[in-house]
Amino acid sequence: GNSVTQMEGPVTLSEEAFLTINCTYTATGYPSLFWYVQYPGEGLQLLLKATKADDKGSNKGFEATYRKETTSFHLEKGSVQVSDSAVYFCALGGGGADGLTFGKGTHLIIQP
Amino acid sequence: EAGVAQSPRYKIIEKRQSVAFWCNPISGHATLYWYQQILGQGPKLLIQFQNNGVVDDSQLPKDRFSAERLKGVDSTLKIQPAKLEDSAVYLCASSPGTGYGYTFGSGTRLTVV
Repeated sequence: GNSVTQMEGPVTLSEEAFLTINCTYTATGYPSLFWYVQYPGEGLQLLLKATKADDKGSNKGFEATYRKETTSFHLEKGSVQVSDSAVYFCALGGGGADGLTFGKGTHLIIQP
Repeated sequence: EAGVAQSPRYKIIEKRQSVAFWCNPISGHATLYWYQQILGQGPKLLIQFQNNGVVDDSQLPKDRFSAERLKGVDSTLKIQPAKLEDSAVYLCASSPGTGYGYTFGSGTRLTVV
Protein backbone atom coordinates (compact mmCIF):
# COMPACT_ATOMS: atom_id res chain seq x y z
CA GLY A 1 0.00 0.00 0.00
CA ASN A 2 0.89 3.67 -0.05
CA SER A 3 3.07 5.17 2.67
CA VAL A 4 4.88 8.42 3.43
CA THR A 5 7.94 8.86 5.62
CA GLN A 6 9.10 12.27 6.72
CA MET A 7 11.83 13.40 9.07
CA GLU A 8 11.08 13.42 12.76
CA GLY A 9 10.77 16.70 14.57
CA PRO A 10 10.89 19.07 16.15
CA VAL A 11 13.21 20.92 13.82
CA THR A 12 14.52 24.11 15.38
CA LEU A 13 16.17 26.78 13.23
CA SER A 14 17.15 30.40 13.55
CA GLU A 15 15.41 33.04 11.46
CA GLU A 16 16.84 33.35 7.91
CA ALA A 17 18.29 29.83 8.01
CA PHE A 18 17.90 27.38 5.11
CA LEU A 19 15.21 24.75 5.59
CA THR A 20 14.96 21.21 4.30
CA ILE A 21 12.32 18.75 5.47
CA ASN A 22 12.81 15.32 3.94
CA CYS A 23 9.93 13.27 2.59
CA THR A 24 10.04 9.90 0.84
CA TYR A 25 7.15 7.78 -0.32
CA THR A 26 6.08 4.33 -1.43
CA ALA A 27 3.22 4.08 -3.87
CA THR A 28 1.87 2.13 -6.76
CA GLY A 29 1.27 3.94 -9.99
CA TYR A 30 1.88 7.64 -10.37
CA PRO A 31 0.65 9.55 -7.33
CA SER A 32 0.36 13.28 -6.83
CA LEU A 33 2.43 14.70 -3.98
CA PHE A 34 1.50 17.44 -1.54
CA TRP A 35 2.82 19.47 1.35
CA TYR A 36 0.26 20.68 3.86
CA VAL A 37 0.89 23.09 6.73
CA GLN A 38 -0.93 23.33 10.04
CA TYR A 39 -0.39 26.56 11.98
CA PRO A 40 -1.12 26.53 15.72
CA GLY A 41 -4.85 26.37 16.34
CA GLU A 42 -5.72 26.23 12.65
CA GLY A 43 -6.74 23.60 10.12
CA LEU A 44 -4.68 21.96 7.40
CA GLN A 45 -3.79 24.21 4.48
CA LEU A 46 -2.36 23.14 1.16
CA LEU A 47 1.12 24.62 0.80
CA LEU A 48 2.14 23.21 -2.58
CA LYS A 49 1.69 20.20 -4.84
CA ALA A 50 3.20 18.37 -7.80
CA THR A 51 1.30 15.99 -10.03
CA LYS A 52 4.01 14.30 -12.08
CA ALA A 53 7.71 13.45 -12.04
CA ASP A 54 10.13 16.41 -12.21
CA ASP A 55 7.33 18.90 -11.44
CA LYS A 56 8.28 21.60 -8.95
CA GLY A 57 5.62 22.94 -6.62
CA SER A 58 6.18 26.33 -5.03
CA ASN A 59 4.34 28.75 -2.75
CA LYS A 60 5.29 31.43 -0.20
CA GLY A 61 9.01 30.84 -0.82
CA PHE A 62 8.72 27.07 -0.25
CA GLU A 63 9.64 24.62 -3.02
CA ALA A 64 9.54 20.86 -3.52
CA THR A 65 10.44 18.78 -6.58
CA TYR A 66 8.80 15.45 -7.42
CA ARG A 67 11.73 13.02 -7.80
CA LYS A 68 10.51 9.68 -9.10
CA GLU A 69 13.98 8.11 -9.22
CA THR A 70 14.51 8.67 -5.48
CA THR A 71 10.77 8.58 -4.55
CA SER A 72 11.21 11.87 -2.72
CA PHE A 73 9.49 15.23 -2.35
CA HIS A 74 11.70 17.25 0.00
CA LEU A 75 10.46 20.65 1.16
CA GLU A 76 12.92 23.56 1.01
CA LYS A 77 12.97 27.26 1.80
CA GLY A 78 15.94 29.54 1.44
CA SER A 79 15.29 31.86 4.39
CA VAL A 80 12.75 30.95 7.06
CA GLN A 81 10.81 33.38 9.21
CA VAL A 82 9.32 33.08 12.69
CA SER A 83 5.88 33.00 11.04
CA ASP A 84 6.83 29.72 9.32
CA SER A 85 6.65 27.92 12.67
CA ALA A 86 4.04 25.19 12.17
CA VAL A 87 3.62 21.47 11.57
CA TYR A 88 4.32 20.37 7.99
CA PHE A 89 2.80 17.23 6.50
CA CYS A 90 3.90 15.44 3.36
CA ALA A 91 1.11 13.53 1.62
CA LEU A 92 0.40 11.54 -1.51
CA GLY A 93 -2.76 10.98 -3.46
CA GLY A 94 -3.42 8.03 -5.69
CA GLY A 95 -4.75 10.18 -8.46
CA GLY A 96 -8.31 11.17 -9.20
CA ALA A 97 -10.35 12.09 -6.15
CA ASP A 98 -8.68 9.51 -3.95
CA GLY A 99 -8.04 10.10 -0.28
CA LEU A 100 -4.61 11.24 0.85
CA THR A 101 -1.96 9.25 2.70
CA PHE A 102 -0.11 11.50 5.15
CA GLY A 103 3.24 11.34 6.87
CA LYS A 104 3.41 11.85 10.63
CA GLY A 105 4.25 15.53 10.34
CA THR A 106 7.33 17.60 11.18
CA HIS A 107 7.07 20.32 13.80
CA LEU A 108 9.16 23.32 12.70
CA ILE A 109 10.19 25.93 15.25
CA ILE A 110 11.86 29.13 14.07
CA GLN A 111 13.61 31.21 16.69
CA PRO A 112 14.20 34.95 16.23
CA GLU B 1 -16.17 30.97 -1.46
CA ALA B 2 -17.15 29.57 1.92
CA GLY B 3 -14.88 26.85 3.28
CA VAL B 4 -15.64 23.44 4.69
CA ALA B 5 -17.76 23.90 7.82
CA GLN B 6 -17.53 21.51 10.76
CA SER B 7 -19.28 21.38 14.11
CA PRO B 8 -18.85 21.21 16.98
CA ARG B 9 -15.28 22.50 17.38
CA TYR B 10 -14.76 20.64 20.64
CA LYS B 11 -16.48 17.73 22.35
CA ILE B 12 -15.75 15.94 25.62
CA ILE B 13 -17.59 12.69 26.35
CA GLU B 14 -17.21 9.73 28.64
CA LYS B 15 -16.23 6.35 27.25
CA ARG B 16 -19.12 4.24 26.04
CA GLN B 17 -21.15 7.35 25.18
CA SER B 18 -22.08 8.22 21.62
CA VAL B 19 -21.12 11.33 19.65
CA ALA B 20 -21.82 12.79 16.22
CA PHE B 21 -19.91 15.25 14.08
CA TRP B 22 -21.28 17.30 11.20
CA CYS B 23 -19.63 18.54 8.02
CA ASN B 24 -20.87 20.85 5.28
CA PRO B 25 -18.52 20.75 2.27
CA ILE B 26 -17.86 23.50 -0.23
CA SER B 27 -20.87 23.92 -2.49
CA GLY B 28 -20.60 21.77 -5.60
CA HIS B 29 -17.83 19.51 -4.28
CA ALA B 30 -18.78 15.96 -5.17
CA THR B 31 -16.21 14.19 -3.02
CA LEU B 32 -16.18 14.32 0.78
CA TYR B 33 -13.67 12.73 3.15
CA TRP B 34 -13.49 12.12 6.89
CA TYR B 35 -10.04 11.84 8.47
CA GLN B 36 -8.94 11.00 12.01
CA GLN B 37 -5.85 12.80 13.33
CA ILE B 38 -4.49 11.42 16.57
CA LEU B 39 -2.14 13.74 18.47
CA GLY B 40 1.37 13.59 17.02
CA GLN B 41 0.32 11.72 13.89
CA GLY B 42 -0.75 12.56 10.39
CA PRO B 43 -4.42 12.38 9.41
CA LYS B 44 -5.73 8.93 8.52
CA LEU B 45 -8.54 8.50 5.99
CA LEU B 46 -11.66 6.97 7.51
CA ILE B 47 -14.18 7.20 4.70
CA GLN B 48 -14.60 8.77 1.26
CA PHE B 49 -17.94 9.66 -0.36
CA GLN B 50 -18.57 10.43 -4.01
CA ASN B 51 -21.89 12.30 -3.99
CA ASN B 52 -23.97 10.18 -1.60
CA GLY B 53 -22.19 6.87 -2.28
CA VAL B 54 -19.29 5.37 -0.33
CA VAL B 55 -16.09 4.99 -2.38
CA ASP B 56 -13.70 3.77 0.33
CA ASP B 57 -14.42 2.86 3.95
CA SER B 58 -11.68 0.26 4.34
CA GLN B 59 -10.14 2.01 7.38
CA LEU B 60 -13.42 2.81 9.15
CA PRO B 61 -13.91 0.74 12.37
CA LYS B 62 -17.39 -0.30 11.39
CA ASP B 63 -18.22 -1.91 14.70
CA ARG B 64 -18.44 1.55 16.29
CA PHE B 65 -18.11 4.18 13.55
CA SER B 66 -20.74 5.06 10.97
CA ALA B 67 -21.08 7.86 8.44
CA GLU B 68 -23.65 9.06 6.00
CA ARG B 69 -23.95 11.76 3.41
CA LEU B 70 -27.58 12.59 2.90
CA LYS B 71 -28.52 13.90 -0.53
CA GLY B 72 -24.85 14.12 -1.47
CA VAL B 73 -24.27 17.36 0.44
CA ASP B 74 -23.51 17.48 4.16
CA SER B 75 -22.33 14.51 6.16
CA THR B 76 -22.36 13.16 9.69
CA LEU B 77 -19.84 10.86 11.36
CA LYS B 78 -20.97 8.95 14.43
CA ILE B 79 -19.12 6.98 17.09
CA GLN B 80 -21.09 4.58 19.29
CA PRO B 81 -19.83 3.57 21.79
CA ALA B 82 -16.71 5.72 22.13
CA LYS B 83 -13.41 4.40 23.45
CA LEU B 84 -10.51 6.28 25.00
CA GLU B 85 -8.40 5.69 21.88
CA ASP B 86 -10.97 7.60 19.79
CA SER B 87 -9.65 10.85 21.26
CA ALA B 88 -8.48 12.75 18.19
CA VAL B 89 -9.29 15.58 15.81
CA TYR B 90 -11.82 14.57 13.17
CA LEU B 91 -11.26 16.41 9.93
CA CYS B 92 -13.63 16.75 7.03
CA ALA B 93 -12.35 17.61 3.55
CA SER B 94 -13.99 18.07 0.17
CA SER B 95 -12.89 18.12 -3.44
CA PRO B 96 -14.63 18.96 -6.70
CA GLY B 97 -12.95 15.99 -8.35
CA THR B 98 -9.91 14.83 -10.22
CA GLY B 99 -6.83 17.02 -9.95
CA TYR B 100 -8.51 19.88 -8.08
CA GLY B 101 -7.08 19.25 -4.66
CA TYR B 102 -8.69 19.07 -1.29
CA THR B 103 -9.98 21.69 1.17
CA PHE B 104 -10.01 20.81 4.85
CA GLY B 105 -12.29 22.06 7.58
CA SER B 106 -10.96 23.19 10.96
CA GLY B 107 -11.88 19.88 12.56
CA THR B 108 -13.67 18.67 15.68
CA ARG B 109 -11.44 17.87 18.66
CA LEU B 110 -12.88 14.89 20.54
CA THR B 111 -11.72 13.99 24.03
CA VAL B 112 -12.97 10.71 25.51
CA VAL B 113 -12.52 10.44 29.28
